[in-house]
Amino acid sequence: KAGVTQTPRYLIKTRGQQVTLSCSPISGHRSVSWYQQTPGQGLQFLFEYFSETQRNKGNFPGRFSGRQFSNSRSEMNVSTLELGDSALYLCASSINTGQAASEQFFGPGTRLTVL
Amino acid sequence: AQSVTQLDSHVSVSEGTPVLLRCNYSSSYSPSLFWYVQHPNKGLQLLLKYTSAATLVKGINGFEAEFKKSETSFHLTKPSAHMSDAAEYFCVVKLINDYKLSFGAGTTVTVRA
Repeated sequence: KAGVTQTPRYLIKTRGQQVTLSCSPISGHRSVSWYQQTPGQGLQFLFEYFSETQRNKGNFPGRFSGRQFSNSRSEMNVSTLELGDSALYLCASSINTGQAASEQFFGPGTRLTVL
Repeated sequence: AQSVTQLDSHVSVSEGTPVLLRCNYSSSYSPSLFWYVQHPNKGLQLLLKYTSAATLVKGINGFEAEFKKSETSFHLTKPSAHMSDAAEYFCVVKLINDYKLSFGAGTTVTVRA
């Protein structure tokens, strides 16, 4: 089975621009979660989708948004980029994140640099 | 609310010696606990998970962890470190019916030849 794929792997943007990141989960997985990883804040939860519905959202401003399509692929969008948005954005898929011990499988991440 | 504390930000060991990474958690309810590893410029890989079955959990690559409820700990060990174990390790907690993982700050492991 193919793993979680994320595109693009690297991205350079300037302040004020917007960006869209894509995640394709493992086949058969219906949950997709997004995390932001920075040296200062560590790994922080952004949001989780299941069957095209956002079930939970982390403590991030409204500039961060996402969606999930009927084939479980997900995108996240960041508008009006700020320097502090520079981070590694990780996508994780699972069969159903709501289950107690549902394992989440992570993609390689998208490294976003905001200049 | 739940939280995870990794007691060491950096651990350095010699190749062939034991590795111990310490993790304490706080949770109002019985959590699921995980250890993930992240090699440089890579995503996260699951090492092992605890889900209220056996308290001693065996994972991949010779790692194991012991759940101690009385101490609210979930320490990760490996009897003999290998150079390929050099990476960052994250202790993670998840509550039942919760939709997110809560990560510790991470422990960077350096392995000396």
